[in-house]
Amino acid sequence: DAGVIQSPRHEVTEMGQEVTLRCKPISGHDYLFWYRQTMMRGLELLIYFNNNVPIDDSGMPEDRFSAKMPNASFSTLKIQPSEPRDSAVYFCASSFEGEQYFGPGTRLTVT
Amino acid sequence: GQSLEQPSEVTAVEGAIVQINCTYQTSGFYGLSWYQQHDGGAPTFLSYNALDGLEETGRFSSFLSRSDSYGYLLLQELQMKDSASYFCASYSGGYQKVTFGTGTKLQVIP
Repeated sequence: DAGVIQSPRHEVTEMGQEVTLRCKPISGHDYLFWYRQTMMRGLELLIYFNNNVPIDDSGMPEDRFSAKMPNASFSTLKIQPSEPRDSAVYFCASSFEGEQYFGPGTRLTVT
Repeated sequence: GQSLEQPSEVTAVEGAIVQINCTYQTSGFYGLSWYQQHDGGAPTFLSYNALDGLEETGRFSSFLSRSDSYGYLLLQELQMKDSASYFCASYSGGYQKVTFGTGTKLQVIP
């Protein structure tokens, strides 16, 4: 398997623009997670899905953030409008029986 | 709420043994995991403890004491490639709701 795939790997955008991050989990995994990592706040769980259904979105910072999982092989994290404080590395991870496999991350820079 | 504490930095000599400690405050605690992350890379799973005691996987071992809300990662025969950040992560309310610690940056020196 190719592992968890994320795109884009790098994104630079201007404040106010919409940003969409994409994730393809490992086939057969029934959990999908979105994380954000910064030097100040560390690794934060934003939201996770089980069988394409959002289970816990308590980590989503505010209404500007939204996540969807329309099917078992695809998820998106959208930020609209983006702000400079959203600059971070965003990781997607998937799991089947506990152990989480992380994608390579998307480094987002909002200027 | 959930919180985990671990040292921010540790330095150790190649070939030596190092222990990275983690204390946690997690309601509905389920288990403790350890992840390794190299600079610019993604976290990778190392170990998971649900029960008290020591779990060994090659050069790495992980320990958990639920009564003390404490765990540690033990790295033996350190190699230069072990230089990375190590995160403890606690699970609550099941095996999927996870909170990561702030990470310990390990530097292995010759």
